Amino acid sequence: GAVVSQHPSWVICKSGTSVKIECRSLDFQATTMFWYRQFPKQSLMLMATSNEGSKATYEQGVEKDKFLINHASLTLSTLTVTSAHPEDSSFYICSATGTEFYGYTFGSGTRLTVV
Amino acid sequence: LAKTTQPISMDSYEGQEVNITCSHNNIATNDYITWYQQFPSQGPRFIIQGYKTKVTNEVASLFIPADRKSSTLSLPRVSLSDTAVYYCLVGDGNFNKFYFGSGTKLNVKP
Repeated sequence: GAVVSQHPSWVICKSGTSVKIECRSLDFQATTMFWYRQFPKQSLMLMATSNEGSKATYEQGVEKDKFLINHASLTLSTLTVTSAHPEDSSFYICSATGTEFYGYTFGSGTRLTVV
Repeated sequence: LAKTTQPISMDSYEGQEVNITCSHNNIATNDYITWYQQFPSQGPRFIIQGYKTKVTNEVASLFIPADRKSSTLSLPRVSLSDTAVYYCLVGDGNFNKFYFGSGTKLNVKP
């Protein structure tokens, strides 16, 4: 149980375009979802926290207008990287938690490359 | 939020037991300790979680002393496939966010 599906697993986009990443909880209701980014050989950095039906809370230094997060249902959260630039190239990972268990389940990650 | 400190890297050989220690001096009363494993280009995978004393599952053991200011993940008889980064996280049961520390890069050699 407690499976999180993340899609796509990798994406290449042109500079200036927008990219949407989906994070779905398959077998539980995700009351809270988190988005992380990870650069090569570095740890995960928390970007934002989203609760279903509420606006996301962004960590300091993360541009909320650039990284749009939507958590419209208890099973889906999306991260949209707007006007992507090469420096946005990174590994993006979502995680989710619900009321049925304690702990966090992570998605498999999305490798974004902006060219 | 409790900050965690782990060794940056460790080397081991196949078949050995590996112990990775994590320091979390300002752990709160209602905080749990959770360990994750991450392979390159994959999301972290849950290994084990505990609150105090000792917890064991089919893949690892977690030792937590009485003061809970540290914890040790024990991996019995590691294999090459255990080469990964291991993260220790501390958080309470209120679904608050987790901040990742540097993690420990475990390199298992043949």
